[in-house]
Amino acid sequence: SYVLTQPPSVSVAPGQTASITCGGNNIGSRSVHWYQQKAGQAPVLVVYDDSDRPSGIPERVSGSNSGNTATLTITRVEAGDEADYYCQVWDSSSDHWVFGGGTKLTVL
Amino acid sequence: QITLKESGPTLVKSTQTLTLTCTFSGFSLTPGGVAVAWIRQPPGKALEWLALIYWNDAKRYSPSLKSRLTITKDTSKNQVVLTMTNMDPLDTATYYCAQERVLSNWFDPWGQGTLVTVSS
Repeated sequence: SYVLTQPPSVSVAPGQTASITCGGNNIGSRSVHWYQQKAGQAPVLVVYDDSDRPSGIPERVSGSNSGNTATLTITRVEAGDEADYYCQVWDSSSDHWVFGGGTKLTVL
Repeated sequence: QITLKESGPTLVKSTQTLTLTCTFSGFSLTPGGVAVAWIRQPPGKALEWLALIYWNDAKRYSPSLKSRLTITKDTSKNQVVLTMTNMDPLDTATYYCAQERVLSNWFDPWGQGTLVTVSS
């Protein structure tokens, strides 16, 4: 089955840029979706189809996908961005949905 | 506004069968390209997709749990039900339901989740 690999943690100072990666075999050929999960809350979709944002998600949040790595980028990081972030794809070969292991973003 | 809410027991015993209900509003599972999925998250761990049911009653299951899962829908009640047999303490998790618009392959929105604890 398809595997998505994320770093367990990323730390960044306020005002800086955070980059969270999601690795997978030829992931650039798939559509990647990203979720933000704050402590004690349900996940919220923040990026879909590699780089599109749902309404209400700030332009500071963006996504890209190429080769074997997809990346979620958050610029001008704020304390409120501290959360766990998960990438997700649909595996067409098996018709199943796959999540990455999640990355905890800490704002220093 | 689309909302989903999970309900069911908070505590089950090992070997018992878990039945969870997702009650939703703001959409219906009639022809229209909508699906409802179940996803779980053990405490402190990652999200895991479990099952999904389409408006046309087609179903998909996680290969690792397929033998233990059944997903059904009651269109008249706007509900999707997940049953999981032979529960184990390792199945202790928060269980979420979420909407998937067909051909989108992402989940949005999600319910608030319900924590299920399995005792040995």
